[in-house]
Amino acid sequence: GAVVSQHPSRVICKSGTSVKIECRSLDFQATTMFWYRQFPKQSLMLMATSNEGSKATYEQGVEKDKFLINHASLTLSTLTVTSAHPEDSSFYICSAGLRGWSYNEQFFGPGTRLTVL
Amino acid sequence: DAKTTQPPSMDCAEGRAANLPCNHSTISGNEYVYWYRQIHSQGPQYIIHGLKNNETNEMASLIITEDRKSSTLILPHATLRDTAVYYCIGAPGNEKLTFGTGTRLTIIP
Repeated sequence: GAVVSQHPSRVICKSGTSVKIECRSLDFQATTMFWYRQFPKQSLMLMATSNEGSKATYEQGVEKDKFLINHASLTLSTLTVTSAHPEDSSFYICSAGLRGWSYNEQFFGPGTRLTVL
Repeated sequence: DAKTTQPPSMDCAEGRAANLPCNHSTISGNEYVYWYRQIHSQGPQYIIHGLKNNETNEMASLIITEDRKSSTLILPHATLRDTAVYYCIGAPGNEKLTFGTGTRLTIIP
């Protein structure tokens, strides 16, 4: 089956620093990638939709200047949390859809746990 | 996306069939019913989806009522590894998914 990886799996950083999270589709080309955030004991919240070669579409309430998304190739999307603060501590999960897929079978990465001190 | 309603939690004995209900009375004609699950501290995993007809794959069966207002996900022989939060989502194909709170399924030895 289609595999999506994320790196790093866990990161701890100081307040004010920036953190980059990578999402890769390992064995397929992903036209669209999605970024989610999940706080403890809560459900996944979609942050943005990323299409290869174009600007990401952010959900309402998500600051695009704080959460920078780049989808430069069909196998890689990155999320950069800029000037991270403790309230940004969360579980960040990406997902990818197969090129040309007609229904919403998304393949999810294992997630990245961010802790901002 | 269609609003879905699921029980917050369920228990099932190991080896028995787990039947997870989902209400989606406002689902539109072009919206599929998707089921995903999330094992603790992992990314969600696609299980199955359907539009009108019942569906079965190696993981589960999906039974959709004729009026499409509700559905049931069936795990035929639950194992301890099936303990997870199960999400029922109504959405058109090729569009974003909106996750609700899901059902926390606990498989009991």
